[in-house]
Amino acid sequence: KNQVEQSPQSLIILEGKNCTLQCNYTVSPFSNLRWYKQDTGRGPVSLTIMTFSENTKSNGRYTATLDADTKQSSLHITASQLSDSASYICVVSARDSNYQLIWGAGTKLIIKP
Amino acid sequence: AAGVIQSPRHLIKEKRETATLKCYPIPRHDTVYWYQQGPGQDPQFLISFYEKMQSDKGSIPDRFSAQQFSDYHSELNMSSLELGDSALYFCASSLAATYNEQFFGPGTRLTVL
Repeated sequence: KNQVEQSPQSLIILEGKNCTLQCNYTVSPFSNLRWYKQDTGRGPVSLTIMTFSENTKSNGRYTATLDADTKQSSLHITASQLSDSASYICVVSARDSNYQLIWGAGTKLIIKP
Repeated sequence: AAGVIQSPRHLIKEKRETATLKCYPIPRHDTVYWYQQGPGQDPQFLISFYEKMQSDKGSIPDRFSAQQFSDYHSELNMSSLELGDSALYFCASSLAATYNEQFFGPGTRLTVL
C-alpha cells in the first residue's frame, strides 16, 4: 500500500534554531517527492521537488534530502524565523498512469520568539 | 478513525454540463481545502473555507463555486464543464487550532467527455 509518513507530528523550536523534519514513504513506482509549506487555511506552497536521481535540493533556508534506497527524505530549516510557523507536508508522486499523489499528514512547526 | 470522505469517487460528464463534488471533513474539523490535480501535474489549490467562510482563494475558475455548510461539509460546484476540467479533485480538512494538520480525502476523478 502506498503510504507517506511524517515525523514528528508537531515541533516547537525557538526562533533562530535549526530543525529537521522527516518523511518516510512506501510508494512504488516512485516518480518524485515534494515538500510543501502550508499556513493555516491557505493553499500549500511548494518548497522543493526531487526526482529519483537527486539527493539534495535547497531553496533559501530550506534544504531537502532524498535517499531513494531507504525511501527517506528530510527537510532541514536553517535559522528559523517566526514566519516559518506552518505545516510542512511531504508528498510523493507515483509513476503510474495517473501520477497519483500520496500525501503525508504534515508536521506542525511552531517557532517561538 | 474517521477520514475525509469525498463523493462521488468517479464522475463522468459531457462538455457544458455541471457537476457537484462533495467533501465531508473529519468530525470537528473546521477547515476544508479543495485541490485540482491534472494528469502529471502539481496539485493546484482552488479554495479553502474556515468556519463556513471562505478563507483563501487560489486558482479556482469563475465557472466554479464552493461553499461550506453548517455541518462543515463542503461542495464544489462546477458549471459549463470543459475538457480541461478533467482531473482529480481532492479535499482536505483540518482543525485550525491544531496548526493545520491536514488530512486528505481519496479524491474524486472527474472525466469530461
